[in-house]
Order: sequence, then structure tokens, then C-alpha cells
Amino acid sequence: GAVVSQHPSRVICKSGTSVKIECRSLDFQATTMFWYRQFPKQSLMLMATSNEGSKATYEQGVEKDKFLINHASLTLSTLTVTSAHPEDSSFYICSAKDRSYEQYFGPGTRLTVT
Amino acid sequence: KNQVEQSPQSLIILEGKNCTLQCNYTVSPFSNLRWYKQDTGRGPVSLTIMTFSENTKSNGRYTATLDADTKQSSLHITASQLSDSASYICVVSDLSGGYNKLIFGAGTRLAVHP
Repeated sequence: GAVVSQHPSRVICKSGTSVKIECRSLDFQATTMFWYRQFPKQSLMLMATSNEGSKATYEQGVEKDKFLINHASLTLSTLTVTSAHPEDSSFYICSAKDRSYEQYFGPGTRLTVT
Repeated sequence: KNQVEQSPQSLIILEGKNCTLQCNYTVSPFSNLRWYKQDTGRGPVSLTIMTFSENTKSNGRYTATLDADTKQSSLHITASQLSDSASYICVVSDLSGGYNKLIFGAGTRLAVHP
């Protein structure tokens, strides 16, 4: 099956700094990539949808200036958490969609802001 | 409003036993219904995907059913193993926005004990 990777798997940063998370589709071209956030014991919440070469579409309540998304190629999307605060600590998961309706999820990135 | 509701919230069973997880949804129109398995600290992995015209689909010891009339789905796990301990998430694909947006349930946390 299709493989999606994320890097890093875990990151700890200080409050006020920025963190970049990469999402790559390894064996297929992803027309669309999605970014989710998951708090402990809760389900995944969609943050934004990005299509290659165009601006991301953010869900209501998600600050686009705080969560910068770049989808520069058909195999790579990045999420940058700017000026991170402890409340941004969460599990961030990306998924990538090929031309079918299937979405393939990455393994997730655990962000801890101290 | 929660468009995908799962029950029970958590479940403990003994190794070798069977169990059934429930999912009720109100999403309409929908494209497909999926069941995912999510291990702690990992991304979701697809178990089954069913379109509205399918009633049942199996993947090894996992069997999913769908009743599109009553908007209910179930996931049956046969002869449980310790490795089945995970969260099981019901996801409905929402077509109302003109594209496939996934609506996640909160999941059922399954613990299989020896």
C-alpha cells in the first residue's frame, strides 16, 4: 500500500520558537494533503487541506498565520507551527490523497512545547 | 454537533474473545464509511472501506457491516489478539462540501487482556 512519512516523529521546542513538520508521500503523487491535530484521547481534527501549488484551505478556528502550510510539490507538504506555545502541544498527523478517494495517513509527529 | 458517534467509548476483553464496535452517523450525503485502527502514538491504518451500496466487508479477523438506511455500521473482531489493543475509529466521507471531507468519530479504545 501507499506510504506516507512524517519527520520528525517527536520534537520538543521552547515556547516562542517555530517548528517545521514534513509530510512526504513516498511512492505516489499526492494531489491533496491534509493536516490533522489530535489531543489525548480525542479523535483527529482536520486543520487544513492543501493542494499542490495553491494556498491551503483552513478549517474554522485554525489560525493560518500560526500554522503555515506549504505544499510545494506532489510529494511534500510542510506544516510550520510559528511562535509555539504549550497549548500547541499535540499529535500532528498528515494524510495524502492520490487520484482515488483513498487517504493514506502518516505516522504522526508528537510536538511538545515547554 | 457530532456527526459520527461510536460506542462503547472503551472496552476490555480477554484474548481470544470476539467483540463488536458500533458506529452511528448522520453525515449525508456520504461517499463511503471507513474503519481505522490507531495504535497509541501512531497514525491511523485503514481496515475497511465501504461505499453506501455495500453491506459487509472483511479484512482478516475484522468484519465491517453497513446499514445505509439506519445509518449504522459495526466492526466485528474475531478471536481477538493482544495486538488488537488500539483505538478503532469510524470515519465517514462527507460529500456535502463538494469534495471528500472525512468526519471522524471519537473512537473506541479496545484493550485485549491475556
